[in-house]
Amino acid sequence: IVLTQSPGTMSLSPGERATLTCRASQTLTRDYLAWYQQKPGQPPRLLIYGASNRAPGIPGRFIGSGSETDFTLTINRLEPEDFMMYYCQQYGSSQTFGQGTKVEIK
Amino acid sequence: VQLQQSGPGLVKPSQTLSLTCGVSGDSVSSRSAAWAWIRQSPSRGLEWLGRTYYRSIWYHDYAESVASRIAINADTSKNQFSLQLNSVTPDDTAVYYCARDWLRWYFDYWGQGTLVTVSS
Repeated sequence: IVLTQSPGTMSLSPGERATLTCRASQTLTRDYLAWYQQKPGQPPRLLIYGASNRAPGIPGRFIGSGSETDFTLTINRLEPEDFMMYYCQQYGSSQTFGQGTKVEIK
Repeated sequence: VQLQQSGPGLVKPSQTLSLTCGVSGDSVSSRSAAWAWIRQSPSRGLEWLGRTYYRSIWYHDYAESVASRIAINADTSKNQFSLQLNSVTPDDTAVYYCARDWLRWYFDYWGQGTLVTVSS
């Protein structure tokens, strides 16, 4: 299953809302989709699993939604520490990652 | 849960890449977790390589792209697992991560990453 993330880069200001999308080439079994964030030089950090469940310790401004082939990560009121790379990952058929979306400061 | 990686950062072409991941706070024999290796490079992005897990016996799953030259094994006496990738080429240059693969679904704990460069 191929995951396509869009946009590749988004330029926003702190306090704004970010909407990241992840499209799967096939319907995902039971919404088996996760989201990660990654700072340069660090491993990815799990944000969301099962399309909409926040991982422990993840702030409420991170909201996952979607089903079947179309999924969204919304970040409400961007904080300065939110500007980094974001990846989706499916685990319905083996495990694959999207190519990432960079959220940069405008 | 903490994962601590170790291993060389430079490997010659055609040789074997070997990395180890020490686990604390969980057991490699856990019936809920699998133990995975993932790599990241500018050309390939994040690429899942494979995993091992224990469900009365040991199982292994490998990505098709590396299946012919990869081995992932666990050492219960040391509570660690390892990656061996044979016959490496410069295309295998990447940051390699170990991770806990919860329920064989998503990766909730990661090692710190090891940059492995394949070069003579």
